[in-house]
Amino acid sequence: DAGVIQSPRHEVTEMGQEVTLRCKPISGHDYLFWYRQTMMRGLELLIYFNNNVPIDDSGMPEDRFSAKMPNASFSTLKIQPSEPRDSAVYFCASSAPGGGRGTQYFGPGTRLLVL
Amino acid sequence: GENVEQHPSTLSVQEGDSAVIKCTYSDSASNYFPWYKQELGKRPQLIIDIRSNVGEKKDQRIAVTLNKTAKHFSLHITETQPEDSAVYFCAARGRDDKIIFGKGTRLHILP
Repeated sequence: DAGVIQSPRHEVTEMGQEVTLRCKPISGHDYLFWYRQTMMRGLELLIYFNNNVPIDDSGMPEDRFSAKMPNASFSTLKIQPSEPRDSAVYFCASSAPGGGRGTQYFGPGTRLLVL
Repeated sequence: GENVEQHPSTLSVQEGDSAVIKCTYSDSASNYFPWYKQELGKRPQLIIDIRSNVGEKKDQRIAVTLNKTAKHFSLHITETQPEDSAVYFCAARGRDDKIIFGKGTRLHILP
């Protein structure tokens, strides 16, 4: 298995532009998580899905952030418009059903820089 | 919701010595406690986990202990090696099924 796949790996954009981050979870995993990591705030859970349905989006910082999971093998996190304070590493993670629900496998992350 | 506190934020130990990282949690219903290791520029990776029906778990040089009464759990690394240098995160899964991470501990292994 290739593990969790994220794209792009690096993104540099200008303030005000739309940014779309993509994630492909491990096949068979039914939970998908989006995290943001910064030095100041650590690893923050933004939103998570179970069977493609958003379960908890209380970590999404504001309306500029949105996430979708149209099918079991694809999810997007969109920032529109982007701001410099959105600069961070964004991780996607997935976990398996049942008892493995807590064991999350992280993707390589997308390093976002908003100028 | 769950809240996880982790200490220390930075830890330096001599190579060969032991390292201990401590975490506390707030939700008494939490039942799963994973530990992740993140090397510089890499993704967090699970290194060990423990469930609430177990008090201690070992995997070679790594061990985790859980005290449910006191709501704290710890990571112990013995005979530390240079490759143990990384950021370590504890986490807890609360009654709402969310995994909440601690702020992380940066571990430096000194030669």
